[in-house]
Amino acid sequence: GQQVMQIPQYQHVQEGEDFTTYCNSSTTLSNIQWYKQRPGGHPVFLIQLVKSGEVKKQKRLTFQFGEAKKNSSLHITATQTTDVGTYFCAGPRAGNNRKLIWGLGTSLAVNP
Amino acid sequence: NAGVTQTPKFQVLKTGQSMTLQCAQDMNHNSMYWYRQDPGMGLRLIYYSASEGTTDKGEVPNGYNVSRLNKREFSLRLESAAPSQTSVYFCASKQGNTGELFFGEGSRLTVL
Repeated sequence: GQQVMQIPQYQHVQEGEDFTTYCNSSTTLSNIQWYKQRPGGHPVFLIQLVKSGEVKKQKRLTFQFGEAKKNSSLHITATQTTDVGTYFCAGPRAGNNRKLIWGLGTSLAVNP
Repeated sequence: NAGVTQTPKFQVLKTGQSMTLQCAQDMNHNSMYWYRQDPGMGLRLIYYSASEGTTDKGEVPNGYNVSRLNKREFSLRLESAAPSQTSVYFCASKQGNTGELFFGEGSRLTVL
């Protein structure tokens, strides 16, 4: 069945280092969304990518959508302790775009 | 604007007891969702409602019922709670134009 894989599952960095999480879908996606969940919190929408090859930036965060629309990445430059949390990607389910299929998330820990 | 409000935030039940999780949104969104989140399992869709008066099953609907009372409110009921239903439950509503999901703060349920 349709799957969305995220790697790595966990990442531990020193403050100031860069961080990247990758999202790989088994099927072509019409769009992909990214969410951040702080420890003990709820998921918060970060961005949606729609176009093949799209790149969007939000301050230190750079989001990419692959040319084949099956892959996406989130890159954080010079991590800060406020970046701690779990980052999820999600895309529409094949055959029912009202439902999302979610990756299992990448948990980021930042040492000050 | 309160966004998405869930109650209760915490609940402890004994096996076999019933309870209802309440969710309300004030953003005039048509679609609403109930997810559960377990360690290592990511977000799994229990039920969703594309519009007032309609509900559909998600990935893990067994043991749950839902009611879309009106456009604002979408409740989740556990008729006979089981320890396997110990989880954090999130309600979400979807903005129609962007597809962005807005999540409530979560309800942490423990079934003994």
